[in-house]
Amino acid sequence: EAGVTQFPSHSVIEKGQTVTLRCDPISGHDNLYWYRRVMGKEIKFLLHFVKESKQDESGMPNNRFLAERTGGTYSTLKVQPAELEDSGVYFCASTVGGGGGAFFGQGTRLTVV
Amino acid sequence: KQEVTQIPAALSVPEGENLVLNCSFTDSAIYNLQWFRQDPGKGLTSLLLIQSSQREQTSGRLNASLDKSSGRSTLYIAASQPGDSATYLCAVRRYSSASKIIFGSGTRLSIRP
Repeated sequence: EAGVTQFPSHSVIEKGQTVTLRCDPISGHDNLYWYRRVMGKEIKFLLHFVKESKQDESGMPNNRFLAERTGGTYSTLKVQPAELEDSGVYFCASTVGGGGGAFFGQGTRLTVV
Repeated sequence: KQEVTQIPAALSVPEGENLVLNCSFTDSAIYNLQWFRQDPGKGLTSLLLIQSSQREQTSGRLNASLDKSSGRSTLYIAASQPGDSATYLCAVRRYSSASKIIFGSGTRLSIRP
């Protein structure tokens, strides 16, 4: 069974550009989460999807970040326009309903220059 | 508001020693607690998951305990090996299976050969 996969693994963009990160959760996992780790800080929650619906988006830093999960399968996280402080590692996780453990992807390292 | 703290932030021990990593959380109303390992530049690997009704879980040389009433969890590593060197993260899921996961800042472990 494939795990959680994220694309790209690494992205370097200039300030002001747009970047779209993708997450493919484990098949059948209704819950999908986005997290990010900024250099030197702990991993912070961004938002949570249950199927295609946003359950909790309290961690989204501002309106430059847009997450979608059309059809309840893969999810995208778009940053537009990117700022220097958006640099960090963005993780995606998925869980099956019912409180099982979370499975994380390898992360996307975003560098904004 | 749930806060998760890990002590120490960094730990270096010689190979073969048994060691304990600590995690504390401020709100005892948790659904489950999960320990992860992160290697440099890699994603998060789940080590152990403890449901709120459980007191401990074991996997190989790893043993994790949970004391909800005191808001503490420990990860015990027996007979440490250089390959155990990584950052260990404690993560708490609040209230329900639909809740977000809150991470501690991690303990960076180094095992000296």
